[in-house]
Parts: sequence; structure tokens; C-alpha cells
Amino acid sequence: QLQLQESGSGLVKPSQTLSLNCAVSGGSISSGGYSWSWIRQPPGKGLEWIGYMYHSGSTHYNPSLKSRVTISVDRSKNQFSLKLTSVTAADTAVYYCARTGDFWTGYCFDYWGQGTLVTVSS
Amino acid sequence: QSALTQPPSASGSPGQSVTISCTGTSSDVGGYDYVSWYQQHPGKAPKLIIYEVSKRPSGVPDRFSGSKSGNTASLTVSGLQAEDEDDYYCSSYAGSNNLVFGGGTKLTVL
Repeated sequence: QLQLQESGSGLVKPSQTLSLNCAVSGGSISSGGYSWSWIRQPPGKGLEWIGYMYHSGSTHYNPSLKSRVTISVDRSKNQFSLKLTSVTAADTAVYYCARTGDFWTGYCFDYWGQGTLVTVSS
Repeated sequence: QSALTQPPSASGSPGQSVTISCTGTSSDVGGYDYVSWYQQHPGKAPKLIIYEVSKRPSGVPDRFSGSKSGNTASLTVSGLQAEDEDDYYCSSYAGSNNLVFGGGTKLTVL
């Protein structure tokens, strides 16, 4: 059974960089047919797709966040990471990582981590 | 890209059916058969319940069904049960390797 687990700092100061990791177990992050997404949910609000990294390593980001987002992979640890620069209070949210289908596997989010709350505050 | 439009709330009595809509454009919902639906219990991660418009993952009850007409996708929950009271989100492929969510619908079982 595939499992994803987020980790990282739960408190980030304004203007600094948010950094999170997503460890994948029960499957390889390099397996074809899937990409690996970050999604966030501000308290009491809806879901927002941040971006994904394809199994090949190519990345695609939400245009509204593209200038501040980097998703990268550490294949030796079977994990992928999120960096979001120049954060403000508006970036306070629960951040989820999720496996994402592609053209062949439906462009859906089928496995999710439990989520981690990141608060932006001085 | 703009978020897909969902009604903020929906409700129904136990045993009834309720349908939640998800409206986009020809650039997302209307342009691809890649609409998915998620159920989210408060404080929990979302759970995939419908993908590719109308397909159900293993283990999802057949009370949940999906459809699409033009730029609007729909999730129907039949035979409502108290346990179905959750938030529901739609998502769609939006072209150019982009994905977009709806704003979410809170389903209340009366």
C-alpha cells in the first residue's frame, strides 16, 4: 500500500522560505505513469493545486504560484520536496502531498499524505 | 486559471439522492474527460471517489456516481447516509499540464 508522509517546519516567518518534504513508501517515486503533487488548503477554505513533478523529473506549477515555487526530487530517499519563497500570511495552510495520475492514469490525486499545517507568522 | 464553480452547500434527507455540480469552461471540464471528485472529512486528507468523470476506485460504494455535460460535471450521491456528510471537491485537468480544483461543497444530511 502506497503511503505518503509530509514533514518540515510548521512555522515560517514572513518573507522567508517554506520547505517541506514528502516521503513515499510502498512504491517507487520513479515509477512511470504518475507524477507527484503538492496541494494546499488554507484554514476553512478550499484546495489549491501548487504543482507537480513528473516521474521523469520535469515540473509543472500553478501559474499563480510559479514565480515562488520549486518542486524537486531526492530519488535516493524516495522523496520529493517543496520550496515556496517570500511567504506571507496568505500562505498559511495545510500542505498535502499526493500521487497524481497523468494522461494514461486519469490526472487524479489517488494517494494523499495526512497533511501538515504550516503557519506564516513572525 | 480560475477555480471551478461548486455550490457552497447541498443537503438531503437519509435515503434521498443529492447532486453536486462543478462548472468550468471548455478549457478544463468541457475540454477533457479528466474530472475527479474528492470527499473530505474535517481534519482529514481528501479521498478520491470518482475519476475520469464517472469511474469509481476500488472500495468506493456505487452510491457515488459521476457524469458530465458540456462544461459542467456532476456528482450524485444516492441513498444518502449520515456518514456522507462531508465536504466534496471536484478537480479537472486544465490543459498545459495544469490542474484546478472547485471551491468545495458542504453536504449536509438532514
